[in-house]
Amino acid sequence: KAGVTQTPRYLIKTRGQQVTLSCSPISGHRSVSWYQQTPGQGLQFLFEYFSETQRNKGNFPGRFSGRQFSNSRSEMNVSTLELGDSALYLCASSPLAGEETQYFGPGTRLLVL
Amino acid sequence: SQQGEEDPQALSIQEGENATMNCSYKTSINNLQWYRQNSGRGLVHLILIRSNEREKHSGRLRVTLDTSKKSSSLLITASRAADTASYFCATVSPGGGADGLTFGKGTHLIIQP
Repeated sequence: KAGVTQTPRYLIKTRGQQVTLSCSPISGHRSVSWYQQTPGQGLQFLFEYFSETQRNKGNFPGRFSGRQFSNSRSEMNVSTLELGDSALYLCASSPLAGEETQYFGPGTRLLVL
Repeated sequence: SQQGEEDPQALSIQEGENATMNCSYKTSINNLQWYRQNSGRGLVHLILIRSNEREKHSGRLRVTLDTSKKSSSLLITASRAADTASYFCATVSPGGGADGLTFGKGTHLIIQP
């Protein structure tokens, strides 16, 4: 099976802009989770989607949002970008919601200037 | 917020030696997992140990869990240059992992050839 894919792999934006990141889970996986990784805060949970519904959300401002489509593909959006949003954004998929083991994609590296 | 704290933050050893990393966490868990990350890329799941288990093996990996001390250790035996990576522990809280995986800040392991 193909692994989790994320597009784009690298992105440069300026403050105030918005960005949309995409994630395609492993075929048959219906749960998609998003994580933010920064040198200062480490890996932090953003949200999880299952069957097109947000199942839970981490402690991030409302500028961070996401959605999931009927084919389980997911997008996350960050509006009004701030310098501190520069990070590696990782998507992970699993067959069902709340699964213990998650399968990660390569990540999208976002740089906000 | 970070649940786990890995120790040491960085570890450099010679190829062929054993590498031990420790992880401490704060709240009760359903299970604890270890992931590897190469050069800021996606995470790869290594091993999962449940809260009612004390030790688990997978190839050259050995994981222990002490729930009374809220700590875990990962031992990599006969290290190889390809083991150079960052290693993260991640916990899943009781109740179906509603908060996603909670990661520690990681141990950066360097294997000297």
